[in-house]
Amino acid sequence: SQQGEEDPQALSIQEGENATMNCSYKTSINNLQWYRQNSGRGLVHLILIRSNEREKHSGRLRVTLDTSKKSSSLLITASRAADTASYFCATDARGVYSGAGSYQLTFGKGTKLSVIP
Amino acid sequence: NAGVTQTPKFQVLKTGQSMTLQCAQDMNHEYMSWYRQDPGMGLRLIHYSVGAGITDQGEVPNGYNVSRSTTEDFPLRLLSAAPSQTSVYFCASMGRTKGFLEQYFGPGTRLTVT
Repeated sequence: SQQGEEDPQALSIQEGENATMNCSYKTSINNLQWYRQNSGRGLVHLILIRSNEREKHSGRLRVTLDTSKKSSSLLITASRAADTASYFCATDARGVYSGAGSYQLTFGKGTKLSVIP
Repeated sequence: NAGVTQTPKFQVLKTGQSMTLQCAQDMNHEYMSWYRQDPGMGLRLIHYSVGAGITDQGEVPNGYNVSRSTTEDFPLRLLSAAPSQTSVYFCASMGRTKGFLEQYFGPGTRLTVT
């Protein structure tokens, strides 16, 4: 089963608008990471937020984390057509798999963002 | 640095054939892993390795073998390909950057099994 679940599954907005994607997870985490994947390409790491952090910024990206609700949100401000991609959250699995230690990242199914010029 | 490289980019196999997907990284990362990505399923972990000589199963290991003889290479072997293994395969390595784990992905291998 998926640890992280993104919501919505698909999002379509006009260029210049803000895009918000949410991620929910089930178990306690060390950190939560967001990745972007352009169509047909590999994943690119965007931002990481630690479990003791509540908000983090990186350029036009703003990530929040609510560990009490086991949820995170990714906000992209002033979206551009180039932001069109799928966005995934990933959480460390904390030993879900035998011998994993703190090395595991479990990915959600992703949110497909379309930014219309 | 080349980062994480994968070969081939595309492959078509017939049911029952075997093949090896190659993965290499030049960042001296101890941790490497293989994922498959299917439509609507996100990424699922197949196998991973925390260092040379050490491998372990992930979420969907059946039908796949791995080995880790060197830090740089982590090949994924399909023993007897099945149509259910049609997918995009990503190799990744992980290392610590400024104190936290960061994962680097290869460009992917698109595999079709007929």
